[in-house]
Amino acid sequence: QLQLQESGPGLVKPSETLSLTCTVSGGSISSSSVSWAWIRQPPGKGLEWIGSMYYSGNTYYNPSLKSRATISIDTSKNQFSLQLSSVTAADTAVYYCAKRTQLWSIDPWGQGTLVTVSS
Amino acid sequence: SYELTQPPSVSVSPGQTASISCSGDKLGNKFASWYQLKPGQSPVVVIYQNSMRPSGIPDRFSGSNSGNTATLTISGTQAMDEADYYCQAWDSSTGVFGGGTKLTVL
Repeated sequence: QLQLQESGPGLVKPSETLSLTCTVSGGSISSSSVSWAWIRQPPGKGLEWIGSMYYSGNTYYNPSLKSRATISIDTSKNQFSLQLSSVTAADTAVYYCAKRTQLWSIDPWGQGTLVTVSS
Repeated sequence: SYELTQPPSVSVSPGQTASISCSGDKLGNKFASWYQLKPGQSPVVVIYQNSMRPSGIPDRFSGSNSGNTATLTISGTQAMDEADYYCQAWDSSTGVFGGGTKLTVL
């Protein structure tokens, strides 16, 4: 059974770069028919798509993030990562990694990790 | 950018049918999915490709999508169905979520 697990700092200072890693277990990240995604939920708010990446290297980002987000894949470690630059308090959220299936559903999701932006 | 609109809240009595709408421009031309989110848990897909139900999801969950509106229907709603529900669609391979609907079973 495919499982995803987020890891990274829980506290990031304003103006710095948020970095998270998602480790995929129970399956290979090297599949051409799926993509690997990051999604977040700010406290008290709804889900927000951040972006996704195919094994081929194609990436798709939420335009509202104005090029601050970068997703990358490390096939040797079966991991994919998110970097979000120039963070502010508005970037405080639970960050989820997830798989976009070949049937265009988002499944499974990681357990989520809370990242707080504060000095 | 593409937007999806959901009602903030829906209330239903146990055993009755709950319907949650999701509207977007020509949404019927896209695949819609629905996700259930309970406090302290990760989102779970309950409907994908408009009306398909993943294994393990009870058959009281159903979905439809036509015109500008997708609808999630929960028949015989149970207390365990109380949760936030999010619709989601794809806009040129970029995911878009609705604002979420809090389903209250009372």
